[in-house]
Amino acid sequence: QKEVEQNSGPLSVPEGAIASLNCTYSDRGSQSFFWYRQYSGKSPELIMFIYSNGDKEDGRFTAQLNKASQYVSLLIRDSQPSDSATYLCAVRNSWGKLQFGAGTQVVVTP
Amino acid sequence: GAVVSQHPSRVICKSGTSVKIECRSLDFQATTMFWYRQFPKQSLMLMATSNEGSKATYEQGVEKDKFLINHASLTLSTLTVTSAHPEDSSFYICSALPGTSSSYNEQFFGPGTRLTVL
Repeated sequence: QKEVEQNSGPLSVPEGAIASLNCTYSDRGSQSFFWYRQYSGKSPELIMFIYSNGDKEDGRFTAQLNKASQYVSLLIRDSQPSDSATYLCAVRNSWGKLQFGAGTQVVVTP
Repeated sequence: GAVVSQHPSRVICKSGTSVKIECRSLDFQATTMFWYRQFPKQSLMLMATSNEGSKATYEQGVEKDKFLINHASLTLSTLTVTSAHPEDSSFYICSALPGTSSSYNEQFFGPGTRLTVL
């Protein structure tokens, strides 16, 4: 079982719609959760982090965390073509190491 | 936000040669730096954790004699790929943790180094 799992996609989203990305993790002791965006050939850039159960909103992005279900998600509202990228879920596990999922490719179609 | 630089951004070398990659935190001190490797269409895989002034901790399956890591100061860590072979061709990315490491600290990533071994 992988420590962090994501659907690889591609997730095709019409421009202006909501993109919903999911991530599950195996280590119940994990304390912090991150969403990164990675464009092809570039390094990851942080979009959001979340530590507490519930929702956290930042602009068009909303992260949701449910520790009981070991589930974290990212919603992208009003999707734009520039949002087309691979989105990486990362979890800092109980050993303090940041573990990455394989990433979900998002394609926003005009 | 904090800035991490990597040099070089791209390197092509012949098989059997060694390549050094530098990772610098430009506006903060990083007690801990991390080295990742990413193959095409795959996620980032942690290779090693580098702490200033001490030996690096390598992940399982990563050869410490092949991937030499030096973290000589609070702003610089280097990764040397010794006797590189074509299978070492990958995207190498470093990241840095500012100050005292805790579970809630954000890691800042460098822009990555594309290594191609012919």
